[in-house]
Amino acid sequence: EAGVAQSPRYKIIEKRQSVAFWCNPISGHATLYWYQQILGQGPKLLIQFQNNGVVDDSQLPKDRFSAERLKGVDSTLKIQPAKLEDSAVYLCASRPPGTSRYNEQFFGPGTRLTVL
Amino acid sequence: AQSVAQPEDQVNVAEGNPLTVKCTYSVSGNPYLFWYVQYPNRGLQFLLKYITGDNLVKGSYGFEAEFNKSQTSFHLKKPSALVSDSALYFCAVKNSGGGADGLTFGKGTHLIIQP
Repeated sequence: EAGVAQSPRYKIIEKRQSVAFWCNPISGHATLYWYQQILGQGPKLLIQFQNNGVVDDSQLPKDRFSAERLKGVDSTLKIQPAKLEDSAVYLCASRPPGTSRYNEQFFGPGTRLTVL
Repeated sequence: AQSVAQPEDQVNVAEGNPLTVKCTYSVSGNPYLFWYVQYPNRGLQFLLKYITGDNLVKGSYGFEAEFNKSQTSFHLKKPSALVSDSALYFCAVKNSGGGADGLTFGKGTHLIIQP
């Protein structure tokens, strides 16, 4: 089966500019996650969707970050305006449906953002 | 809040020798633990998980992990290392509560297998 797709793979922007990332999860996966991975650190959860509803956005910097999943399939993550410290790899993941919440997550290749 | 610690930034092992990558965790309630591997310019790949049951969990590529509740550890192991095992390894614990089940990751351990 096709994996989690993300685009673009790389993005370079100036600080204070805006940027958007796109994610298409594995077909049939109702749960979608966005993570931020800063160089030298483990990924940090930004937001979790169940279908088109937000389950957890407690670590999302809402003054500049936003995310949506309007039709319950693909998702976009936006940063506006970007700061230097937003330079990171942004990972999207999805999880199979079912009664067990302890299925593993499947990760996309990530989008590497550089803010100059 | 849950947390994961990977005390070693880097582990060096000679090819053919056994390897161990350490992980300790802190959670309230039952721990649901995962190991992922990350190769350069690629996303995270699932290796194995502990949910319940046997303390020794077997996963992909010959890896296994030992769950120790009293020591709150979940160390990753392999009996005989390959050069191709060289990568960045992450231990993670699943968040819980209110339907939220994202992962909390450790900072990662670079595993270097020397020929």
